[in-house]
Amino acid sequence: DTGVSQNPRHKITKRGQNVTFRCDPISEHNRLYWYRQTLGQGPEFLTYFQNEAQLEKSRLLSDRFSAERPKGSFSTLEIQRTEQGDSAMYLCASSTEGYEQYFGPGTRLTVT
Amino acid sequence: EDQVTQSPEALRLQEGESSSLNCSYTVSGLRGLFWYRQDPGKGPEFLFTLYSAGEEKEKERLKATLTKKESFLHITAPKPEDSATYLCAVRDYGQNFVFGPGTRLSVLP
Repeated sequence: DTGVSQNPRHKITKRGQNVTFRCDPISEHNRLYWYRQTLGQGPEFLTYFQNEAQLEKSRLLSDRFSAERPKGSFSTLEIQRTEQGDSAMYLCASSTEGYEQYFGPGTRLTVT
Repeated sequence: EDQVTQSPEALRLQEGESSSLNCSYTVSGLRGLFWYRQDPGKGPEFLFTLYSAGEEKEKERLKATLTKKESFLHITAPKPEDSATYLCAVRDYGQNFVFGPGTRLSVLP
């Protein structure tokens, strides 16, 4: 399968703990995006990488969120000191210059 | 600020009953309007990109059209397997893609 993969698929954590998610994009795609989606809503943009450079971050992105894409390949999204409001589906997407984004299956985070 | 609204919020159709979904947008400079299909518990699946008013794209029973303020996703003779949430998104001059809340489509056999 050469699509976008995300791990883990599900994560349950206690409030205050740190969590890290991983995204492996389609290999030839140089652009990578992170989104958050809550029930009944569309995906909300979090951040964007072109190769290894993080070029855009949402104004809504808390300081507790950080993302990296070392060597322009896979990416990680870390949430520090999780809060119940962080419970959501975290989606990763990748694309080439054509802007058509291909999404992974998502990581569902539950903060108890 | 870019905004995307979609209507109706939910739509129930009988198999074979054609209909249209609406996506209305406000964007400073449209660099693309995108339609996605999302099944429960899965990531969105890309359907179409439209770039300019008057443009149309078709795929099987789906046809997407674009005007200066809105886009329509027409579904002709839908089947139960077309049941999903259909999402619309716009991109402006940056890399910020703004999604609408989606339309939940149910096609009954």
